[in-house]
Amino acid sequence: DTAVSQTPKYLVTQMGNDKSIKCEQNLGHDTMYWYKQDSKKFLKIMFSYNNKELIINETVPNRFSPKSPDKAHLNLHINSLELGDSAVYFCASSQERQWRREQYFGPGTRLTVT
Amino acid sequence: QKEVEQDPGPLSVPEGAIVSLNCTYSNSAFQYFMWYRQYSRKGPELLMYTYSSGNKEDGRFTAQVDKSSKYISLFIRDSQPSDSATYLCAMIWGSGNTGKLIFGQGTTLQVKP
Repeated sequence: DTAVSQTPKYLVTQMGNDKSIKCEQNLGHDTMYWYKQDSKKFLKIMFSYNNKELIINETVPNRFSPKSPDKAHLNLHINSLELGDSAVYFCASSQERQWRREQYFGPGTRLTVT
Repeated sequence: QKEVEQDPGPLSVPEGAIVSLNCTYSNSAFQYFMWYRQYSRKGPELLMYTYSSGNKEDGRFTAQVDKSSKYISLFIRDSQPSDSATYLCAMIWGSGNTGKLIFGQGTTLQVKP
C-alpha cells in the first residue's frame, strides 16, 4: 500500500489555467505538508496543516490555496498558472513527536506550465 | 546567503569508495539534523537523523554533526551503484507543530560499477 499518494503524477498546462493536485496519506498522521522543488532540486516548504488547521504558510503567492478536507487529505489548488510555477510539488506527512520529525514524502507531481 | 549550504555536485565515485557529503548552516537555532535520500523521479526518504554533536552510525552510513562549526556530514562506506541518488541535508527550525524542515540544495551522487 502506498503511504503518501499524489495525483496526478504529471501535469502539463498552459499559462493562466487553474489546476489542482491531490494528496492522500494512509499512515494515520496528523500533519501534512506541501513542498516545491525547483529545477535545481532546492526543496522548500509551502504549507503545513495539523489536524486540518493551517499551521505554516510560507511566502507563497495567494494564487496557491491549500485545502484539507480531513486529516488524511491535503489538496493544492493553483490559480492563474505562471511559467515560474513549473516545478515538482511534493506532499508529505508526519506525526508530531518531540524528538523526531520524519516526514514521509509522496512521489511528487511534475508540473509544467507552457 | 542561504541558511543551509550544500554543494550540488555532481559527485562521481567508483564502486567501493568512501563518500563524504557535507552541509554548512548559519542558524545556531537549528537542533535536529537529517539526511534524506532522493532517487530520480521519487520523493525524498529519511536516511538518518541526529540531534547532538558527534557521530551516529547505521550500517554503511555515518552521520556527523559539529554544532560548534555549524557543519554536518554524511559518510558512505563501500559505496554501491544503488547509492546513486541525490542526498539532501535538512534541519529543523522552530518547535512544536510550527517547526519546519529547512533543506540544503542536495548533492547528486553517482557510484559507477
